Order: sequence, then structure tokens, then C-alpha cells
Amino acid sequence: EAAVTQSPRSKVAVTGGKVTLSCHQTNNHDYMYWYRQDTGHGLRLIHYSYVADSTEKGDIPDGYKASRPSQENFSLILELASLSQTAVYFCASSAGQGGDERLFFGHGTKLSVL
Amino acid sequence: GQQVQQSPASLVLQEGENAELQCNFSTSLNSMQWFYQRPGGSLVSLFYNPSGTKHSGRLTSTTVIKERRSSLHISSSQTTDSGTYLCALEQGTGYQNFYFGKGTSLTVIP
Repeated sequence: EAAVTQSPRSKVAVTGGKVTLSCHQTNNHDYMYWYRQDTGHGLRLIHYSYVADSTEKGDIPDGYKASRPSQENFSLILELASLSQTAVYFCASSAGQGGDERLFFGHGTKLSVL
Repeated sequence: GQQVQQSPASLVLQEGENAELQCNFSTSLNSMQWFYQRPGGSLVSLFYNPSGTKHSGRLTSTTVIKERRSSLHISSSQTTDSGTYLCALEQGTGYQNFYFGKGTSLTVIP
């Protein structure tokens, strides 16, 4: 079974501080995604990547940066954390069209910005 | 605008009853996936169903592209079925782009 691992599982950050969320997959998937989940909004795509050393903006990229240093690793960076970024963040991976097109999720990171 | 709409938003069942969850979409799609999420938990893939009907135990997924809808049927519900069910529409050419509904919160009472 495909595996996506996120760290940390939860984090408390201060407003204006820098936060880095990490994601590691052992699926040999080309595509990786960062989503945030908020009550009333469902899951929304922040950034995604389909190849190492390249990232793309999703639907809500403002205030976030992403980094894909290798096929296995994908990070989400909040340079100046704000209260509005309190949410649960999910990383996911997929093989892309033509392969196993299912989306596999990590366990999520609960981020609280105070 | 909202591309994927799920209904109902919430549902309460007596154990043993059946449930029909709906997902309607306003655009074309490559595929539809259904996920289950326990409160505070991750998303677990239930079905990858681009079209037609698929079965898995007490669950059945049906996607009708021409009618722009997908449904998830749960038969003989159990308390362990409680949680949130989300559908995700996949679009894109050359890359995958997923759009999620807001989910249906299901509570099964004994």
C-alpha cells in the first residue's frame, strides 16, 4: 500500500514566525500535493508538483511557498505565519494520468497559529 | 464557482438503514474518487470510479458522466461507518487536478 508520511503531526506557531511542514512518500509517485482543510471549505489545493525541483501554484497559494527537492519529498513553507493559516494540512501523492490515478493522503498536520 | 457539490451536508441514520450520498459536478471530468475521513483522521480512498458502477462490500459507487453525478450507496449501515465522506473530481490534461466537495457528515446511531 502506498505510503505518505507527514511531519510534524501537530504544531503550534506564533504569528509572524516561520513554519515548515514536511512530506515524504515512498510510492515512487510523480505528483505531490499540499491541501488545507477548514470547516465549511473542504479541501483546497495550495501547491502541487509533478517533478523534482519544480512546484506549481494551486487555488490558494498566497502566503505559502513549496519546495520539491527530490521525488520523495515535498515541503510547505509559511514564511510569516498568520492566524488565518490555522488549519489542518494534508499532503498527498498520485502517479498521474496513465498510472494508478488514485490520490493517497498523509495523516495530516494540525497547525495552530497563535 | 463551486465545481463539486455534495448532498446532503449531514445525515443521521439508525444502524441497519441504507444511505445514498450524492456528488454533482458542473464541469467535465477525467475521474471521480470517493474518500472516507474519520473525525481528526486522514482520508482513505474508497473508490476510484471514472464511470459506471463499482462495488466494495456494503459500498457501491456509481458515476454517470452524461448526468454529471456520482453517488455512494451504503447498505446496512453500521456505527463504524460514521464519519465524513468526500468526493473528488479529477480534471486536467497531462496533469491531475482534483476538486473536492465539502463532504457529507454521516452519523450512524445504534
